[in-house]
Amino acid sequence: VQLVQSGAEVKQPGESLKISCYGSGYSFTTYWIVWVRQMPGKGLEWMGIIYPGDSDSRYSPSFQGQVTFSADRSKSTAYLQWSSLKASDTAMYYCARLGVPGTIPTPAYYFYNMDVWGKGTTVTVSS
Amino acid sequence: QSVLTQPPSVSAAPGQKVTISCSGSTSNIGNNYVCWYQQLPGTAPKLLIYDNNKRPSGIPDRFSGSKSGTSATLGISGLQTGDEADYYCGTWDSSLNAGVFGGGTKLTVL
Repeated sequence: VQLVQSGAEVKQPGESLKISCYGSGYSFTTYWIVWVRQMPGKGLEWMGIIYPGDSDSRYSPSFQGQVTFSADRSKSTAYLQWSSLKASDTAMYYCARLGVPGTIPTPAYYFYNMDVWGKGTTVTVSS
Repeated sequence: QSVLTQPPSVSAAPGQKVTISCSGSTSNIGNNYVCWYQQLPGTAPKLLIYDNNKRPSGIPDRFSGSKSGTSATLGISGLQTGDEADYYCGTWDSSLNAGVFGGGTKLTVL
């Protein structure tokens, strides 16, 4: 079971970007994928979650409208995208699998256990 | 400022035990499940504890978790130099309708 994330990106402010997270070794469409941001030298931030089975998504209020989650079931891949990057988007972005398959009984389970993590994608936004 | 409060750093000698606290409120820790993650330098976080006190397979029983009211605690016994890392608590916040992490605690094994 592993999540493989796309490589480091260097972009200019205002550019768009889509990074990926490929899952293997398990039923990709059955487990939610969480996105987590870590700004340089800072702590972890929960961005939101997507169910690859039907692309149902939940966004943290801090990130709502700033990023978009998507998933391609045929490619077992989840995506995180920006339409217009800012310097403040410079960070490491991790995807992680929520270890609870299928339907979430209550919202508390959106943070039950992130049991498999990708190695992260570094995004640098600079002019 | 994180919703969950952790001490910035803790330290102890090899072989000793250390505890890391995580303080929150009724909208997060008080009514939801707590997780703990270990982040070794330059690596992705790793799940240590979930559902307040459960260990995933492969995590040694030197690591333990507990919760009381609106606070949670991670315990690490038999400290090893390889335990030097940042440790994060996290849970769901029912008021924010989002997951939240503590600010992280840097463990130094002297």
